[in-house]
Amino acid sequence: DTEVTQTPKHLVMGMTNKKSLKCEQHMGHRAMYWYKQKAKKPPELMFVYSYEKLSINESVPSRFSPECPNSSLLNLHLHALQPEDSALYLCASSQEFLGGGPGTEAFFGQGTRLTVV
Amino acid sequence: KNEVEQSPQNLTAQEGEFITINCSYSVGISALHWLQQHPGGGIVSLFMLSSGKKKHGRLIATINIQEKHSSLHITASHPRDSAVYICAVKRDTDKLIFGTGTRLQVFP
Repeated sequence: DTEVTQTPKHLVMGMTNKKSLKCEQHMGHRAMYWYKQKAKKPPELMFVYSYEKLSINESVPSRFSPECPNSSLLNLHLHALQPEDSALYLCASSQEFLGGGPGTEAFFGQGTRLTVV
Repeated sequence: KNEVEQSPQNLTAQEGEFITINCSYSVGISALHWLQQHPGGGIVSLFMLSSGKKKHGRLIATINIQEKHSSLHITASHPRDSAVYICAVKRDTDKLIFGTGTRLQVFP
């Protein structure tokens, strides 16, 4: 199984709602990532979890709250979002984060297309 | 200036044509990825390179570490190859630095 599965595929939420995005992988990867991608732009890194601990937070607003309950699962909790947060949210995983060498292949999910109204 | 530059930004081709997409980077890297993203979709990793050349089906990727340059070639292009191709480099961690992508359209 070389898949990263994201749910839901599409989400529409109001600015006062609380919702969560979910990401799952069963490849035994110990590094998991959240990216945000606006239309026609490359992905922007938001968070990195390594061995279930938050390694990188790229100065993301607190209305985005990541959680890694176990090594296979990564959540992104959303609260009080703004319309400008509408984007494709991509999850990825790789075997290690602090590999130090040529590194390992990254596997990406299909993304959740989020619309904030 | 971006640390990873791709050219061209947009590319159209007729089915069957040979396609080349280029990636230049300005930092020391440990590896380079070529990724494919279909409209509205997730990202698929095509290649990860740290030296030389790799081939998978009609796709060939090369990298020249000294010149800080990589190319992705598609032979006998097909409309289903239409997608955005993204070059991304890795430094000392698995944090990726992305290029701005090349939008490819292949017409029948």
